Amino acid sequence: DAMVIQNPRYQVTQFGKPVTLSCSQTLNHNVMYWYQQKSSQAPKLLFHYYDKDFNNEADTPDNFQSRRPNTSFCFLDIRSPGLGDAAMYLCATSRQGIREKLFFGSGTQLSVL
Amino acid sequence: AQSVTQPDIHITVSEGASLELRCNYSYGATPYLFWYVQSPGQGLQLLLKYFSGDTLVQGIKGFEAEFKRSQSSFNLRKPSVHWSDAAEYFCAVGAAGGSYIPTFGRGTSLIVHP
Repeated sequence: DAMVIQNPRYQVTQFGKPVTLSCSQTLNHNVMYWYQQKSSQAPKLLFHYYDKDFNNEADTPDNFQSRRPNTSFCFLDIRSPGLGDAAMYLCATSRQGIREKLFFGSGTQLSVL
Repeated sequence: AQSVTQPDIHITVSEGASLELRCNYSYGATPYLFWYVQSPGQGLQLLLKYFSGDTLVQGIKGFEAEFKRSQSSFNLRKPSVHWSDAAEYFCAVGAAGGSYIPTFGRGTSLIVHP
């Protein structure tokens, strides 16, 4: 009964080779988030969607793009991965509101060779 | 903008011992505070949250946290730690009137010795 599903669990890509990470949810939440998490660091918000309204964080590199074709799915595209993009990528969902908790997927660990 | 500090990168305790993980926040008004836990290979899971009212909040898995406005703190406690509590713990703060998205601290890694 997984609620936020991320695929794949581990992803290996080559320097500069585009890669797509996927996230799906069964909660019907209208907000979806992508976080980047590096070792011993706070999860860093890259962007989020409120329904189809896309919100990019100011310091998210242009190399990172996202798509949300419908309520259930969201994709993270890294156009030209660099070594510094190796990290855990977490997808989360919630209902909108300051009091709403986030539901996280298990993450995709991205390695860049 | 709100921010949160978790001063301890690692905490080591013996199984059965008590636990306190520190969290300090920075925000001018009443914050919304959360603790999340991340077990190895898993996503983050909400342990507990504080919005208003009783400053001592109870969460899942036997955890509790106390909001102390005078100290800008929201420390997480557990009276007796189990080996399965070994995980990464994240404090987060949300700001009423600001973005509804919480800001996370860098996390504290809990190591439990048998």
